[in-house]
Order: sequence, then C-alpha cells, then structure tokens
Amino acid sequence: DAGITQSPRHKVTETGTPVTLRCHQTENHRYMYWYRQDPGHGLRLIHYSYGVKDTDKGEVSDGYSVSRSKTEDFLLTLESATSSQTSVYFCAISFTGTTAGNTIYFGEGSWLTVV
Amino acid sequence: SQQGEEDPQALSIQEGENATMNCSYKTSINNLQWYRQNSGRGLVHLILIRSNEREKHSGRLRVTLDTSKKSSSLLITASRAADTASYFCATDTLYNNNDMRFGAGTRLTVKP
Repeated sequence: DAGITQSPRHKVTETGTPVTLRCHQTENHRYMYWYRQDPGHGLRLIHYSYGVKDTDKGEVSDGYSVSRSKTEDFLLTLESATSSQTSVYFCAISFTGTTAGNTIYFGEGSWLTVV
Repeated sequence: SQQGEEDPQALSIQEGENATMNCSYKTSINNLQWYRQNSGRGLVHLILIRSNEREKHSGRLRVTLDTSKKSSSLLITASRAADTASYFCATDTLYNNNDMRFGAGTRLTVKP
C-alpha cells in the first residue's frame, strides 16, 4: 500500500449539504489528485495539487473545491452536494508530475451517495 | 472527455489462456500506463510505456504501443483466476502535464 488514507470511506448525505473528503498521505509526494469514477466513464480528474496551496482544475471541477494546507493532506469539498455527485472518489499521489511517467498511487476510494 | 478507450469492454476466458486488451487514444502522448482494479479497491499500476518505446514486458504482462495508430495492447499470458479484475489504460496529454486520462476499462474474468 502506498500510504494513502481516505476518509470517510462511505458516506450518505442529503442534497444541498456540504461534504468534505479527506486524503492523507505519508509518502511526502508533491503531487496529489482527486478523481471520480463512474460506470462507463472510467476515472476523471477533478482537481490536483502540485504543492502546498498550489492547486489546479481537472476535467470535471465544477461543483468541487480543494485545499492543501499541508503536504500530507488534500481536501475535496462539495459545497452543496447534488445527486450527480454520487460517485466513488479516489485520491492519488505521485512523486512528480505525470508527464515524467511516474507511477500514480491510488487510495482505496470513498463511496459517496447523495440522496 | 475520455482519452483512452479500451476494447473489449468485457472479456471472459479460462485459466491458462492468454488475455489481450486494447486501448485507443486520440491525441499525442508522452507515455501510456496500464492499471488494474480489483472490485471495490483502488487502482494499481502495472506498467508504463513511453511514446518512443514499442514494447515492454513485466512478468506475464506484455504491452505494445503503436503511436502511428494511437493504440496500445496489454497481453496477459497464462492467465490465473487471480487476474480477474478491471484493466484501465491511462495517457497523459501533451498540453496538460498532470491531466491523466483514463478509459472506461476492460472487465476481465478468468474462470478456474
């Protein structure tokens, strides 16, 4: 295991409520990512971070915000959850950016259901 | 939008047989990676092939890359029941170094 902990692992929430998912790493990797996985879509990048307080948007960033105040923690926030955000969310880390061809290590996922 | 698309979507074989999965992508890449995902788990990196490479091996895995056709294949030889999983290809994009694009995956079932 790559030393990535996601919390919570499972959550059911109501439409319109805020939700924060946490990713914690013990590898001191610079890059951290949040992906969502939906049937038929594979994994899609939501946001990523390339350092403390340095973040950028991915392919499906609308409705999500992120924060990284410490190297080891990357938070994903749904300000007002919608049913379309029901998904499995994966945190990932890499030592350098993906162009360098470094392996991305994935967490075990957080199952979020918005009812 | 998806960069990589795997084919077939599902594959069922007997233990001992070879399994071949294909991945096609749309834009030029620096590298292509294959990942495996067991049900209910995160993805695990299998192998990386760079755009200037044509073939790589790792144990029972063989990956080929044809940049002229924008396609890659993953061959698993002498498959085992434990190889049952979903397999994804992922490509980077030349214009966004950190936006790895994943396909929807091939679901492989190896029957004992």
